Amino acid sequence: AQTVTQSQPEMSVQEAETVTLSCTYDTSESDYYLFWYKQPPSRQMILVIRQEAYKQQNATENRFSVNFQKAAKSFSLKISDSQLGDAAMYFCAYAGSNYQLIWGAGTKLIIKP
Amino acid sequence: EAGVTQFPSHSVIEKGQTVTLRCDPISGHDNLYWYRRVMGKEIKFLLHFVKESKQDESGMPNNRFLAERTGGTYSTLKVQPAELEDSGVYFCASSQGLQRGEKLFFGSGTQLSVL
Repeated sequence: AQTVTQSQPEMSVQEAETVTLSCTYDTSESDYYLFWYKQPPSRQMILVIRQEAYKQQNATENRFSVNFQKAAKSFSLKISDSQLGDAAMYFCAYAGSNYQLIWGAGTKLIIKP
Repeated sequence: EAGVTQFPSHSVIEKGQTVTLRCDPISGHDNLYWYRRVMGKEIKFLLHFVKESKQDESGMPNNRFLAERTGGTYSTLKVQPAELEDSGVYFCASSQGLQRGEKLFFGSGTQLSVL
């Protein structure tokens, strides 16, 4: 069975600095997607970025980028120029052959002004 | 464009009572998913509808949970009778297509507290 592990329950960063959130996963599948979702205090889960396993190039979305290491089964999220609005829970998720999302436990990101 | 709507946003009930959660997906989205996060644990898949049909209900914990999606529009998730361990946040999500990389649109969830 697939698993997703986020080893950092909480991270903090100074506003305007860069922070990296870690995510590792375990799977025997070769074709899958990985996601980072953000959950602000409003509770609505918002897609931040996604990566297809077959694509070697790391996905980027403005200040958000990933470091996808397929062999190491690692999928970290880098947030550059952190802003107060980035404060949220961040969840790493995996989608494999059965369309169910497998979720990590989440990392709470605190932005210090 | 209206997003995914869930209500109630909060529900507090006593053990043994019945609660019905509702999800209105984005119009035109055939795929509707239910997930839940029990306190302190990972978010878990419950089930997936394609239109009005249950595509995958492997995550439903037991027969106290009943999900419906009549007419392929909104969905309800009924818990009867509720137990203490059912407390958590229940999320609904919808998508137009059915691909692994499909973006899911989530509602704000229903916080269920069973006392």
